[in-house]
Amino acid sequence: AQSVTQLGSHVSVSEGALVLLRCNYSSSVPPYLFWYVQYPNQGLQLLLKYTTGATLVKGINGFEAEFKKSETSFHLTKPSAHMSDAAEYFCAVRGTGTASKLTFGTGTRLQVTL
Amino acid sequence: NAGVTQTPKFQVLKTGQSMTLQCAQDMNHEYMSWYRQDPGMGLRLIHYSVGAGITDQGEVPNGYNVSRSTTEDFPLRLLSAAPSQTSVYFCASSYSGRGVSSYNSPLHFGNGTRLTVT
Repeated sequence: AQSVTQLGSHVSVSEGALVLLRCNYSSSVPPYLFWYVQYPNQGLQLLLKYTTGATLVKGINGFEAEFKKSETSFHLTKPSAHMSDAAEYFCAVRGTGTASKLTFGTGTRLQVTL
Repeated sequence: NAGVTQTPKFQVLKTGQSMTLQCAQDMNHEYMSWYRQDPGMGLRLIHYSVGAGITDQGEVPNGYNVSRSTTEDFPLRLLSAAPSQTSVYFCASSYSGRGVSSYNSPLHFGNGTRLTVT
């Protein structure tokens, strides 16, 4: 069965600083990986998704993630944080199979300070 | 375009009461699912469906029932509410075919239902 682990339930950065949110996956098959963002009192929105082939994936709002098979990681980064990036971020994995269920990590809350 | 619509947005129940959380999508998605979100635990899958007439259990199905009579609707029923079911519930849908186009199809989420059981 596939799973993801997000390291750090809370991350705080200064506005303009690099954002790094960590995600490691466990999957016995090539994984399909996703990052979602949740703003307060809203549902989850897709930031980006990994499909086999490209190792660097670009998403919305300046975020990107790098797939590293050797490290089983899919960390999310943004070069310069903005106040509007404050939200909760979830990494998710879907293995292959007829049900194609999505399994989520426990989330990382990003705080951006002045 | 509406996407995934959940009703109600908020609900307070007493222990033992029953209710149905509604979910509808207008994207003709075959795959629909229910998650609950609790602090520090991320999203956990309750039930899911890969098409009308087909449902299956997820990670935390106890205390919940579902049915799927149409492609558009996927209601979640709490038969006898318990305080442990206090949570935020999300419905999500996606394309569900065969192969890569299905596996990398993202989930589309509703805005959630915040349920409190006293």
